[in-house]
Amino acid sequence: GAGVSQSPSNKVTEKGKDVELRCDPISGHTALYWYRQSLGQGLEFLIYFQGNSAPDKSGLPSDRFSAERTGGSVSTLTIQRTQQEDSAVYLCASRRAGFFNEQYFGPGTRLTVT
Amino acid sequence: DQQVKQNSPSLSVQEGRISILNCDYTNSMFDYFLWYKKYPAEGPTFLISISSIKDKNEDGRFTVFLNKSAKHLSLHIVPSQPGDSAVYFCAASASRGTNAGKSTFGDGTTLTVKP
Repeated sequence: GAGVSQSPSNKVTEKGKDVELRCDPISGHTALYWYRQSLGQGLEFLIYFQGNSAPDKSGLPSDRFSAERTGGSVSTLTIQRTQQEDSAVYLCASRRAGFFNEQYFGPGTRLTVT
Repeated sequence: DQQVKQNSPSLSVQEGRISILNCDYTNSMFDYFLWYKKYPAEGPTFLISISSIKDKNEDGRFTVFLNKSAKHLSLHIVPSQPGDSAVYFCAASASRGTNAGKSTFGDGTTLTVKP
C-alpha cells in the first residue's frame, strides 16, 4: 500500500516568507508526528497528533511554527516569517493505534531559507 | 538534557564482521525501544524493536539487546554487509505518562561497512 507522502520534496524560500509543508499519512494511522533534522543533527521532535486528543506541541521551537491535522488525516506544518536557521529536512511520520508500534516516515521536505 | 544518547557518531567495520551500535537512555519511563535505519535523501525506516519486558530480540542478522539496569541497549548486525551502510537511529518511547506515544531519538550513528 501507499506509504507516507510529503510535499513539496524541496522548498527554497526567502527569509521572512511563510511556508506550508504537507504530510499525507498512511490511511488508518491514528498518530502523526513532525520532526526536523538539521544538517549533521539527529531527529528533533516538533509535534505529535494522536487521534482526537489535543496535540503535543512541546517540541515546536517558536510561535512561528504551527501545525494542524484535518479530519484525522492530512497534516500541514506552517512556518511563518522563515529564518535561515529554519533550514532543515522536515520529516513526517505516522503510526497505527497502539504505543508499541513503529513509525512510518515520509521522505521529508528539504527546506532552504535564503 | 538529552534523554537518548548515541555516543558514537560513526562506526566502520569490515564486511562479514559484527557491527555493534550502542544507545543509552536516562528516562526510566521508557518501556519500548526501536532502531531505525536511514539512507541519504530518504526517511528513516523501522528495523527492529524491543519491549522492556524482554532483554533480547532477534530478527535475521539483527539482534537488539536491552540492559534495563544500565539503561543501555545495543544493536548487533552480523554478518555486516555493504548495504547496511546507513545512519542508525535509536528511539525510546513510553506507553504511560504525559509523554505516552512520543518517541525520543538519538543523534544517530553512521555505519560504514567496507567490502
